[in-house]
Amino acid sequence: EPEVTQTPSHQVTQMGQEVILRCVPISNHLYFYWYRQILGQKVEFLVSFYNNEISEKSEIFDDQFSVERPDGSNFTLKIRSTKLEDSAMYFCASSEVRGAGEQFFGPGTRLTVL
Amino acid sequence: GDSVTQMEGPVTLSEEAFLTINCTYTATGYPSLFWYVQYPGEGLQLLLKATKADDKGSNKGFEATYRKETTSFHLEKGSVQVSDSAVYFCALYSGGGADGLTFGKGTHLIIQP
Repeated sequence: EPEVTQTPSHQVTQMGQEVILRCVPISNHLYFYWYRQILGQKVEFLVSFYNNEISEKSEIFDDQFSVERPDGSNFTLKIRSTKLEDSAMYFCASSEVRGAGEQFFGPGTRLTVL
Repeated sequence: GDSVTQMEGPVTLSEEAFLTINCTYTATGYPSLFWYVQYPGEGLQLLLKATKADDKGSNKGFEATYRKETTSFHLEKGSVQVSDSAVYFCALYSGGGADGLTFGKGTHLIIQP
């Protein structure tokens, strides 16, 4: 069964460093998403991406964040200068259609900023 | 804005017990409602969904009914198994141009043999 994969599973970085979280969405999906979950809090939507551009972003997704689909398979989230409060689990998701269809999630990358 | 509230965990039950995990929501318009499940080390998987009032979603013995009058979407299962141990997330999609799902905090369910 096709699945969304994410690497690495755990990333530790120093405050102020850049990190890139990687995702491989399901191959025939057209819509891609990033969510995050700070420990003990809700899963929060960050950004959606379609047709090589951001289609929606939340207020969390500020200038420190960027997304890219560098090739036909990967979808990346870059945090330019990490802060302590960026420590969270980051989930990538993809879907065939926009809207109330099913979003398929990856297992997540746990980011720890020291 | 939209929000989802679900019961805090962990919820610990014995095998074959009846399960209810409460979920209520606040949204504009008529959202679609979802339950996702996360098993250890895996991603969130869609468990069931309902797209309009009075719809019942069901899968793997789990059920939830979209109750517009009480703005609720409680998850139920008649007889839980150890393999149901996981974290359960209630979520909504309100549409109107928005792409993201709005999630609750998740409820950790532990089933003891």
